[in-house]
Amino acid sequence: GQQLNQSPQSMFIQEGEDVSMNCTSSSIFNTWLWYKQDPGEGPVLLIALYKAGELTSNGRLTAQFGITRKDSFLNISASIPSDVGIYFCAGLNQAGTALIFGKGTTLSVSS
Amino acid sequence: GAVVSQHPSWVICKSGTSVKIECRSLDFQATTMFWYRQFPKQSLMLMATSNEGSKATYEQGVEKDKFLINHASLTLSTLTVTSAHPEDSSFYICSLKGSGNTIYFGEGSWLTVV
Repeated sequence: GQQLNQSPQSMFIQEGEDVSMNCTSSSIFNTWLWYKQDPGEGPVLLIALYKAGELTSNGRLTAQFGITRKDSFLNISASIPSDVGIYFCAGLNQAGTALIFGKGTTLSVSS
Repeated sequence: GAVVSQHPSWVICKSGTSVKIECRSLDFQATTMFWYRQFPKQSLMLMATSNEGSKATYEQGVEKDKFLINHASLTLSTLTVTSAHPEDSSFYICSLKGSGNTIYFGEGSWLTVV
């Protein structure tokens, strides 16, 4: 199945550090979404991006929709232990007919 | 409150039997619904996209005769796993596309085939 290129695959950081992860695609997307998923549950939307170049924040989270519409990044500032989890990017294609996920970034935060 | 209702939350079935999972939109009419499968420690893999009143579009490698998707109305889509085998055990989750490309996810369904 289709998947986006998401990196890094995993990160181990200290509490208080900033984190950055990104997703790239060979295809253009109209919408980029960033999710966090806890074990056994569905993904929870963190940030949605609908326009190329758009920079959006949600508390300590900031995400940007790449100008080429083929990439996006998510930053988490001043990480805390509850940030631990798996983060996924997802892109909705131009026709709106497929929402494709990245492979995920597993974040571990030590206090 | 929940926008998408998916059930059952979990189901155990015998090998060879069929299982139906429902995904229901509670607050809006969803013209497009997506079905995903997620194995442990892996990402969500798109299985198929369904549009109300038309046949589902399946991703490469997904057997359409095994995973039957029915999008009979603007508020209901079903996934039926036919002749289930232990390797079909997974987390299945639906999502709906609303206006303005807003995406809503169901709570997911754990399927265990014994």
